[in-house]
Amino acid sequence: EVHLAESGGGLVQPGGSLRLSCAASTFSFSSYWMYWVRQAPGRGPEWVSRVDSDGGRTDYADSVKGRFTISRDNVKNTLYLQMNSLSAEDTAVYYCVREMTSLTKFGFDLWGQGTPVTVSS
Amino acid sequence: DIVMTQSPDSLAVSLGERATINCKSSQSLLYSSNNKNYLAWFQQKPGQPPKLLIYWASTRESGVPDRFSGSGSGTDFTLTISSLQAEDVAVYYCQQYYSIPRTFGQGTRLEIK
Repeated sequence: EVHLAESGGGLVQPGGSLRLSCAASTFSFSSYWMYWVRQAPGRGPEWVSRVDSDGGRTDYADSVKGRFTISRDNVKNTLYLQMNSLSAEDTAVYYCVREMTSLTKFGFDLWGQGTPVTVSS
Repeated sequence: DIVMTQSPDSLAVSLGERATINCKSSQSLLYSSNNKNYLAWFQQKPGQPPKLLIYWASTRESGVPDRFSGSGSGTDFTLTISSLQAEDVAVYYCQQYYSIPRTFGQGTRLEIK
């Protein structure tokens, strides 16, 4: 069964750092653009960042630009998000998401269960 | 950024009745080269990630019951549940994938009346 599994979330103090990981299984990870999407408590999902299939192109939401870095290892089938200078506004569940892009289908068709990040002193 | 606005914010419908959720985008999501609308609908239940229901504004994802349907074009879209079932209680989001940043609506909470 195709699967995404996030890890690395937790409680961190303001100004601190965390590195999230997302392990992909049972699909051709290196063929897909991958995304991080977060959801703050009681709010809708918010796109954070994306990386193309070979890791050469990245994009970021304005709210995280300069603080977060997305990367991937296509040998380990793993997606990463390095988060620095964290603030309370970054508190959310962080989801790893696959974007399917084909002639017959397009969209966020596979989501992990999410890893919670809490920024608090 | 494309702003997605859903209405209503919450909705209570009787079992077996029709539920309709609207979504409006701040600019057209119709891509002229392929005549497709870059709009998706998601369902989210408590403690779970969002689940893709509809893409291209009206194409059901595999395994989604046919009581769910999407319609609309350009800037105005609708998700319809033809006969509400108890398991449909959830928050529903529209999302555009026409451009970066990908943006979501604020969500519509659907409950049983």
